[in-house]
Amino acid sequence: GAGVSQSPSNKVTEKGKDVELRCDPISGHTALYWYRQRLGQGLEFLIYFQGNSAPDKSGLPSDRFSAERTGESVSTLTIQRTQQEDSAVYLCASSSRTGYNEQYFGPGTRLTVT
Amino acid sequence: KNEVEQSPQNLTAQEGEFITINCSYSVGISALHWLQQHPGGGIVSLFMLSSGKKKHGRLIATINIQEKHSSLHITASHPRDSAVYICAVADQGAQKLVFGQGTRLTINP
Repeated sequence: GAGVSQSPSNKVTEKGKDVELRCDPISGHTALYWYRQRLGQGLEFLIYFQGNSAPDKSGLPSDRFSAERTGESVSTLTIQRTQQEDSAVYLCASSSRTGYNEQYFGPGTRLTVT
Repeated sequence: KNEVEQSPQNLTAQEGEFITINCSYSVGISALHWLQQHPGGGIVSLFMLSSGKKKHGRLIATINIQEKHSSLHITASHPRDSAVYICAVADQGAQKLVFGQGTRLTINP
């Protein structure tokens, strides 16, 4: 079946512009995660959605970052007034349950802020 | 000190060698994940375990909860095993993953 998909695969934007990144999880997966990987660095947790529960936003680095999820489907990560330090690969993952199940990762969106 | 520490950071070996990558963590966890990231950037989940040992093909993962330590072993290593291997833990009571910095493995033919 289809895996996790993300769009766009690459995004180049000017500093100060807003960007929106999209994630389509595996159908039926109730948990959805956003991560960030800066060049040469490890993965960082950003935000997590589980069903209709309030999302865990504890990893969002600033109030310029926000994310939404429609039910148990598509999620969008929005970065307002982008800064050069926002340049990274943004990865989405989904799992059928939380914590105890493996996560399936999307291919990522490479964001470059010039 | 990072909550999740991996060693070594880089490992180069010859084809056929037995490989061990270690992961130590400092927090109580509900589960530990081993992930593989290929040069193109794609991430694949290898194992999720909360106790004992799991085996998949040439890969073996073990965890010692008391010692807060896990190891990933690769038997009969092959150049296609070359990748970054990442250890990640799910905090007890939390659902998010905390990641190690990764181990870059290079297997030479």
